[in-house]
Amino acid sequence: GENVEQHPSTLSVQEGDSAVIKCTYSDSASNYFPWYKQELGKRPQLIIDIRSNVGEKKDQRIAVTLNKTAKHFSLHITETQPEDSAVYFCAASNKERTGTASKLTFGTGTRLQVTL
Amino acid sequence: NAGVTQTPKFQVLKTGQSMTLQCAQDMNHEYMSWYRQDPGMGLRLIHYSVGAGITDQGEVPNGYNVSRSTTEDFPLRLLSAAPSQTSVYFCASSTRTEAFFGQGTRLTVV
Repeated sequence: GENVEQHPSTLSVQEGDSAVIKCTYSDSASNYFPWYKQELGKRPQLIIDIRSNVGEKKDQRIAVTLNKTAKHFSLHITETQPEDSAVYFCAASNKERTGTASKLTFGTGTRLQVTL
Repeated sequence: NAGVTQTPKFQVLKTGQSMTLQCAQDMNHEYMSWYRQDPGMGLRLIHYSVGAGITDQGEVPNGYNVSRSTTEDFPLRLLSAAPSQTSVYFCASSTRTEAFFGQGTRLTVV
């Protein structure tokens, strides 16, 4: 089955700096890579995703890059703000195999702290 | 439109007891799933369903049963609770492109 590794486990940045979280996956058939943000005591929420036919996707201060050859993808947050502090999870799935974004294999999470 | 609703929010069980975690969605999604979240381990898939009457095992199915008699409901049953099942459980309802999570159930087995 799929295995997703995520690094670092914790990340502390100053407000305004950039943050980068990296994930690698093992199943070359995976083709859907979402990122979820989970605030303390809350549910995970999708912040951005990328499909295997795209190398990069941006949404305001958030971007995700995908390298299919190396089987890794990264989340980039620019101009970080205190409200970006949360745990971020990457995930991978083969949507054609499962037909759904529901059968996801998650990384172990990165706790991001943005300090003033 | 409530999205995904899980009950209860908190539960304490004694070892060997059984219980059902409830999950309901009002978005008419075909796909639903259950995950457990443990410190340092992310979310791990327990069971999932691609439609009413169809379920399949995920990564960590042992000790759990599911059924999907309607599109809206996807209950998770613990047959004989063990301390290793202490965790936060999330139900998710999905389109092909996004999973929507419930607020979670924090379960403690003593």
